This record gives sequence, C-alpha cells and structure tokens, in this order.
Amino acid sequence: DTEVTQTPKHLVMGMTNKKSLKCEQHMGHRAMYWYKQKAKKPPELMFVYSYEKLSINESVPSRFSPECPNSSLLNLHLHALQPEDSALYLCASSQGTGATSYEQYFGPGTRLTVT
Amino acid sequence: GNSVTQMEGPVTLSEEAFLTINCTYTATGYPSLFWYVQYPGEGLQLLLKATKADDKGSNKGFEATYRKETTSFHLEKGSVQVSDSAVYFCALRKIGGFKTIFGAGTRLFVKA
Repeated sequence: DTEVTQTPKHLVMGMTNKKSLKCEQHMGHRAMYWYKQKAKKPPELMFVYSYEKLSINESVPSRFSPECPNSSLLNLHLHALQPEDSALYLCASSQGTGATSYEQYFGPGTRLTVT
Repeated sequence: GNSVTQMEGPVTLSEEAFLTINCTYTATGYPSLFWYVQYPGEGLQLLLKATKADDKGSNKGFEATYRKETTSFHLEKGSVQVSDSAVYFCALRKIGGFKTIFGAGTRLFVKA
C-alpha cells in the first residue's frame, strides 16, 4: 500500500471557524510533511515531522497548528484563517529524512477555501 | 543555495510527438533528483528518480538521466499521449535534508 489519504477533499470555512485537516499513511514512513500549494505554483513546505517530532516549521503563522498523534497520522488545525490562505493543502510522507533517495509520497490534497 | 530551474511552459504538443522538458539544478554535494507529475485536481505523484551521476530513471515511457557535468536532469518521452497532459515538477533532495526543492513546474498540453 503506497497510499497517503487526506480528508476532507474540499473544505469551505469562514474566517472565525476552527477546522482540521487529516492525513494518514500506512507505509511505515517515519517522516510526514504539510505543504501549501497555490494555483500554478510548486508546493511550499510548511511543516516536517520526523519520528513524530516537529523538525521544521517554515515560519508558518500560528493560525496553522500541526499535530502528529502517532506515526501514521498527521493533522493540521486551522483557526482564524485569512482569505489568502485559500489553497490546496498537501500531505506527504517518506521513509525518513536522512537519505537523499527517500522520495515523498503525496496525498490528493484538501482544497481549502476561506470566505 | 540549492535551486531547480525548469523550462517555462506551457508546452503544447500533438499526440505521438517527442517531449523534452529541461531541468537544471544548483546544489552542493550529490543530491538525488526527481520528476513528479500532477494531474488536474490531484496531488503529486513520483514519476521517476535518480540518485547518482549517470543514473537513468524511467517509468511509463518517461526517462531522465542525471548529468553531473551539466547539472541537468531533462525529462523525455518518445511519444506523448493526451493522458500525459499534466504539470511536471523537477526536484532535488540533499543528504540529511528534510526539504525537497521543487522547480516552478512545466504545464504540458497534448492535443489529439
């Protein structure tokens, strides 16, 4: 099984709402990632978890709060977002982070619209 | 710093035409190189990879060779199909790096 699943597929939320994005993988991967992708742009790294610990936060605003409850699950909690946060949010996983050859497996993404 | 430069798109081809998408990189050391493909409305899928100089990655008729002397990893396919229409991202990953560095992406349209 080389699948990364993400829920929900689409999400519309107001600027005062609180919502969460979920990501799951069962490949035994020890690194998981959140990316943000705007239209016609490459993915931008937001967070990296390695062995369930936050390893990288790319200066992401605190209205985005990641959580890694266990090695298979990754959440992204959203609160008080701005319209410019509307984007495709991609989750990815890889076997680890130590070797260059570890490719990333991406989920299908959550299309987020902030109204 | 580390960077990846891809040819600007969109690239428009007729079915069965030959495809080349150019990719060059800047990195210290010996990164691994990747091509990812993103179909409309979907996430990224790994298309192929190469981990050392002169390696050739191949998958689904696509090929790319890791050329250290020219710091390039050009994507080629001998005969494209309409179903190949997508955005293609060249990327690199360095030793000990948590990050994958992506190029800007090249959109490919294939006409029947």
